[in-house]
Amino acid sequence: DTAVSQTPKYLVTQMGNDKSIKCEQNLGHDTMYWYKQDSKKFLKIMFSYNNKELIINETVPNRFSPKSPDKAHLNLHINSLELGDSAVYFCASSQERGVVALEQFFGPGTRLTVL
Amino acid sequence: KQEVTQIPAALSVPEGENLVLNCSFTDSAIYNLQWFRQDPGKGLTSLLLIQSSQREQTSGRLNASLDKSSGRSTLYIAASQPGDSATYLCAASGSARQLTFGSGTQLTVLP
Repeated sequence: DTAVSQTPKYLVTQMGNDKSIKCEQNLGHDTMYWYKQDSKKFLKIMFSYNNKELIINETVPNRFSPKSPDKAHLNLHINSLELGDSAVYFCASSQERGVVALEQFFGPGTRLTVL
Repeated sequence: KQEVTQIPAALSVPEGENLVLNCSFTDSAIYNLQWFRQDPGKGLTSLLLIQSSQREQTSGRLNASLDKSSGRSTLYIAASQPGDSATYLCAASGSARQLTFGSGTQLTVLP
């Protein structure tokens, strides 16, 4: 009965490869997010989707492409992986009230290591 | 652009002590402020959410306050326990939907 789940938990890959991370939430929320936590543990928003529509797209290389097939899923595809992409990626979800996002709930994270 | 700062970066206290973690933000036009806990190698657990119209929120031994005018929030932990050891993060919703995080305070409660 996990609220926000991510797969895989760990991902080790070579530079130049393409990989995907999947996220699913069973909270009935309408907004989902991807955050990146770097080696210094700093968390930064990457993308946000509301009802399958992209609403936040921070300055992220276009090698990163989010895809939301439905409200409960937000996947992150990364092309041509680079060493600097190594980080922990967190998915989160929340329910909107008007234009305000309520409490955000986070998944367990995916630790990506690029060799 | 919203910036969130947490001081101190690390804190070590003996078990049973009451303690306060500090969070400051530069843009007072926030929608809400959220406190999280992160254990090593784990995800974030939401502790408390304070809406911009509220002054404080309480959950068990935790109490979070919000002063928008001064750009500050505090997380008060009463009667600390070793199980409280973790990194505590605050995040401000400075614009709709988007959270800006501080760099966290790493708390160690010594038995």
